[in-house]
Amino acid sequence: AQKITQTQPGMFVQEKEAVTLDCTYDTSDPSYGLFWYKQPSSGEMIFLIYQGSYDQQNATEGRYSLNFQKARKSANLVISASQLGDSAMYFCAMSLQRAGKSTFGDGTTLTVKP
Amino acid sequence: NAGVMQNPRHLVRRRGQEARLRCSPMKGHSHVYWYRQLPEEGLKFMVYLQKENIIDESGMPKERFSAEFPKEGPSILRIQQVVRGDSAAYFCASSSQGDQGEQYFGPGTRLTVT
Repeated sequence: AQKITQTQPGMFVQEKEAVTLDCTYDTSDPSYGLFWYKQPSSGEMIFLIYQGSYDQQNATEGRYSLNFQKARKSANLVISASQLGDSAMYFCAMSLQRAGKSTFGDGTTLTVKP
Repeated sequence: NAGVMQNPRHLVRRRGQEARLRCSPMKGHSHVYWYRQLPEEGLKFMVYLQKENIIDESGMPKERFSAEFPKEGPSILRIQQVVRGDSAAYFCASSSQGDQGEQYFGPGTRLTVT
């Protein structure tokens, strides 16, 4: 069975600083995708970044980058130059090839302090 | 290109009533997934459907819950005889391919059972 673990229930970061949100995963399937989503207080799920298990380079999307360490089964999200609007819940998720469904972690609440 | 649409956004039902949640996938998407998010928790997979077919319903409670995705019209998640424990946010996601590709989420339906 697949599992996603986010060990940080809450994180604080000063505005304009970088922050790393941890995510480890567990699967025996060699082909999978890893995702990060942002859920602000309004409740919608906003896709941030995707990493495929066979991708050689770490994914980047603007201020978001995914630190993918396959041997350690970790997929940490790095947010650079934090902004007040980054305050939200962040979920790490994984899906397997041909399985469709995603497995989510329990989330990390990020608070950006001015 | 309209995103995933869900309605209603908020639904209040008394115990014992039926709840019907609708999801219209993105144009061109034929794969639909339903997830449930209990308060302060991550999303939990419920069911994966393609047009007229249930592909994976391993996350669906055995009783009172059903889902369909007809040839025409939106996908429907139906909860019969609702109980207080059904109060949650129900998210629908769609994708163009049923593998580890990106899933696009709708805004969710917040069900409150009184």
